[in-house]
Amino acid sequence: EDQVTQSPEALRLQEGESSSLNCSYTVSGLRGLFWYRQDPGKGPEFLFTLYSAGEEKEKERLKATLTKKESFLHITAPKPEDSATYLCAVQRGGSQGNLIFGKGTKLSVKP
Amino acid sequence: KAGVTQTPRYLIKTRGQQVTLSCSPISGHRSVSWYQQTPGQGLQFLFEYFSETQRNKGNFPGRFSGRQFSNSRSEMNVSTLELGDSALYLCASSLRGLQADTQYFGPGTRLTVL
Repeated sequence: EDQVTQSPEALRLQEGESSSLNCSYTVSGLRGLFWYRQDPGKGPEFLFTLYSAGEEKEKERLKATLTKKESFLHITAPKPEDSATYLCAVQRGGSQGNLIFGKGTKLSVKP
Repeated sequence: KAGVTQTPRYLIKTRGQQVTLSCSPISGHRSVSWYQQTPGQGLQFLFEYFSETQRNKGNFPGRFSGRQFSNSRSEMNVSTLELGDSALYLCASSLRGLQADTQYFGPGTRLTVL
C-alpha cells in the first residue's frame, strides 16, 4: 500500500538553528514528490516538486532533496516567519494522478 | 494571475442536511481535485475532474459527489451530513492533471456539522 510518513510530527527551533524534516515514502512508481507549506486556516502553498533520486531544489532558506526512499527539507537559519506545517506528498505512476499526503511536520521557530 | 478560489469559506450545517461547495480553478487549468483535511486523517483525496469527467476517485462513500462545468469550475456536494464530515475541504487545480503536474490549492471551505 502506498504510504507517506513524515517526521518529526513537531519541531521547535530557535531562530537561526538549522534542521531537517524527513519524508519517507513507499509508492509504486513515483512520478513526483511535492513539498507544501500550510499556515493555520489556509490552503497548502506549493514549495517544490522533485522527480528523481539525486535531485535538489532550493528556495530562500529551504532546500529539498530526494533519494529512492525519502526526501528531506533542510531549513537553514530559520526565521519566525518560517513557522508553519510542512506537508510532503507523492504522486504515483499509472493512471491515477492524485496526491498522497503525509500528516505533516509542524515547525515553530522562536525569536 | 488569480489563484484558486473557493466559496463559501465557512459553513455550519446540521446532521442530515446537504451542502454544496464551489471551486474556481486558476485560469487555463483544466483539472480540479478535491481533498478533505481533518486533524486525525490529514489530507485525503476525494475525486478529480478533468474536462467535465470524473477521472479518479478516492475511498469516500457515495454521499460525496462532484461535477465540473465547461468553464472548469467545479462543485462538490455532500448529502445526508454526518458529524464526521466536519473538516476543511480543499480544492486544487492543475494545468492538465497529468502525473507530476503541480497542484495549486485554494484557501478551503471550513465545514462544521452540528
